Amino acid sequence: DAMVIQNPRYQVTQFGKPVTLSCSQTLNHNVMYWYQQKSSQAPKLLFHYYDKDFNNEADTPDNFQSRRPNTSFCFLDIRSPGLGDAAMYLCATSTPGGFQETQYFGPGTRLLVL
Amino acid sequence: SQQGEEDPQALSIQEGENATMNCSYKTSINNLQWYRQNSGRGLVHLILIRSNEREKHSGRLRVTLDTSKKSSSLLITASRAADTASYFCATDAGNTGKLIFGQGTTLQVKP
Repeated sequence: DAMVIQNPRYQVTQFGKPVTLSCSQTLNHNVMYWYQQKSSQAPKLLFHYYDKDFNNEADTPDNFQSRRPNTSFCFLDIRSPGLGDAAMYLCATSTPGGFQETQYFGPGTRLLVL
Repeated sequence: SQQGEEDPQALSIQEGENATMNCSYKTSINNLQWYRQNSGRGLVHLILIRSNEREKHSGRLRVTLDTSKKSSSLLITASRAADTASYFCATDAGNTGKLIFGQGTTLQVKP
């Protein structure tokens, strides 16, 4: 089945130790998003790719970076995780034309920072 | 500022009852979507209603949209324990190309 896959499902890292979260999709969608969701809060968009075009949200900390080497894969790099970065990270995709259309979410990666 | 506000924040009902959740937004939209999130999981798209539509049905779900009041409601009929989840409305923020999610309503359906 076509889907959005996130690995790992749970990630534990140490304060300040770089961590990478991965997302892959078999939907062949052009647009990929990364959201951060803290407990009992709404998902907050960090950035998105429209094909290879990277779009950063104005309030996304510089600590957060992303790479999209091809259509199928997208990575979220947190260069120096702080305690406040502990959250669920959600990857999503959608078709072009696209932003206003349905988004397909992966199961999320829960990040714990010790 | 947040585009979508949801009400109530939490709702607890018995199995078989209907559940109604409301969403209000601030600016004009192209469409409004509802998503469900089970605990510790990703979001699942439920239904999309466009700005020129007033009501839409999908199985036990009924969504209404009142653009004059900038509000939407999600009705789940004959609820089941498996409907226990958080429900989020999401709107496109004008023509920015982003989806903005509301804070969500946490629904508990007791067996």
